[in-house]
Amino acid sequence: DAGVIQSPRHEVTEMGQEVTLRCKPISGHDYLFWYRQTMMRGLELLIYFNNNVPIDDSGMPEDRFSAKMPNASFSTLKIQPSEPRDSAVYFCASRTDRGDTEAFFGQGTRLTVV
Amino acid sequence: AQSVTQLDSHVSVSEGTPVLLRCNYSSSYSPSLFWYVQHPNKGLQLLLKYTSAATLVKGINGFEAEFKKSETSFHLTKPSAHMSDAAEYFCVVSWNSGNTPLVFGKGTRLSVIA
Repeated sequence: DAGVIQSPRHEVTEMGQEVTLRCKPISGHDYLFWYRQTMMRGLELLIYFNNNVPIDDSGMPEDRFSAKMPNASFSTLKIQPSEPRDSAVYFCASRTDRGDTEAFFGQGTRLTVV
Repeated sequence: AQSVTQLDSHVSVSEGTPVLLRCNYSSSYSPSLFWYVQHPNKGLQLLLKYTSAATLVKGINGFEAEFKKSETSFHLTKPSAHMSDAAEYFCVVSWNSGNTPLVFGKGTRLSVIA
């Protein structure tokens, strides 16, 4: 397996534009996590899915953020409209449903909103 | 509540000296414990994991950690620091029960001085 794949790796967009980040988890993994990392706030869990169902979205900062997982092999995180304070690195991770297995992280998407 | 505490936000050591990064957790259940490393501008990589087998766990790059149930700790150590060890380190706890399957500590930044 190629691991968790995120796209794009870098995104620069203007304030007010819609941004869509994509993630392909490892095949067979039951959990998918979206994290955001900034210098000020560190690593924050935004939302996670179990078997394609959103379980906890309490970390999503506001209604401008939405996430979907239409099938087991694909998830999106959308920001509409984007703001400069959304600039961060966004990570996707996946894991099996066994608590003793590690999560595997993608390489991240560096988002810059100007 | 389930939580992870990394006791130091920043640790600085000289090259060739021992490294100690501290992690404590709170749990009503038997956890699985992980250490991840993140080098600058990179994704998160698993260093090692404890999953109820041997309490002393060896990981990559000479790191090891010891699970101490009585102290609810999982400190990360390395006998001799190398310049390439400079990075951010995250302690992560996983439980099979509860609403959140992964809980991250806030991270410890390790600096290695020549």
